[in-house]
Amino acid sequence: DQQVKQNSPSLSVQEGRISILNCDYTNSMFDYFLWYKKYPAEGPTFLISISSIKDKNEDGRFTVFLNKSAKHLSLHIVPSQPGDSAVYFCAAGGDFGNEKLTFGTGTRLTIIP
Amino acid sequence: DGGITQSPKYLFRKEGQNVTLSCEQNLNHDAMYWYRQDPGQGLRLIYYSQIVNDFQKGDIAEGYSVSREKKESFPLTVTSAQKNPTAFYLCASRNRGADTEAFFGQGTRLTVV
Repeated sequence: DQQVKQNSPSLSVQEGRISILNCDYTNSMFDYFLWYKKYPAEGPTFLISISSIKDKNEDGRFTVFLNKSAKHLSLHIVPSQPGDSAVYFCAAGGDFGNEKLTFGTGTRLTIIP
Repeated sequence: DGGITQSPKYLFRKEGQNVTLSCEQNLNHDAMYWYRQDPGQGLRLIYYSQIVNDFQKGDIAEGYSVSREKKESFPLTVTSAQKNPTAFYLCASRNRGADTEAFFGQGTRLTVV
């Protein structure tokens, strides 16, 4: 049972435009969420996080939005740059204080110059 | 420099052999994780440990074993019972508690020959 889902395997966006990556989850007990960026044959690097008490968190070009009622979060990147081309993973944790961290299947973002 | 180190970067194993992947962190993190990445499958959790001498099965623990005798170390053994061991393995660590990021190693590519 996939508790964290990223339904778009890939996304292409023109340089300078906004990239929107989506993530859905099924476990209502998750209380924090994270986004990671990954290049091939490397470990993921942390981008931004949000706790369930917030609905928005912003850090530079990256903004994460959380809609708890819909069990949905999204990552906005604006403006998109060629270096943003990578695979993006969302992750969720915090179920009853358990340290388990569950990742989605990833979305490959390609920025078109 | 603080960080998390996985070794080796590439590993070849003959069918029927056990092999151990190393993961060491000097970040003083309590929680450590092992994930496996396959094409199109995202990051799937194998095992995680919330504290020394404790570990929990993740979503795909069959054919794997771990130990957590020291805070800094969380080795993963891929046993001969693992049917499809060829994959990219990622180790991570983080502080316990909500809304803390996980730091990843650079990964180990295991190939069964």
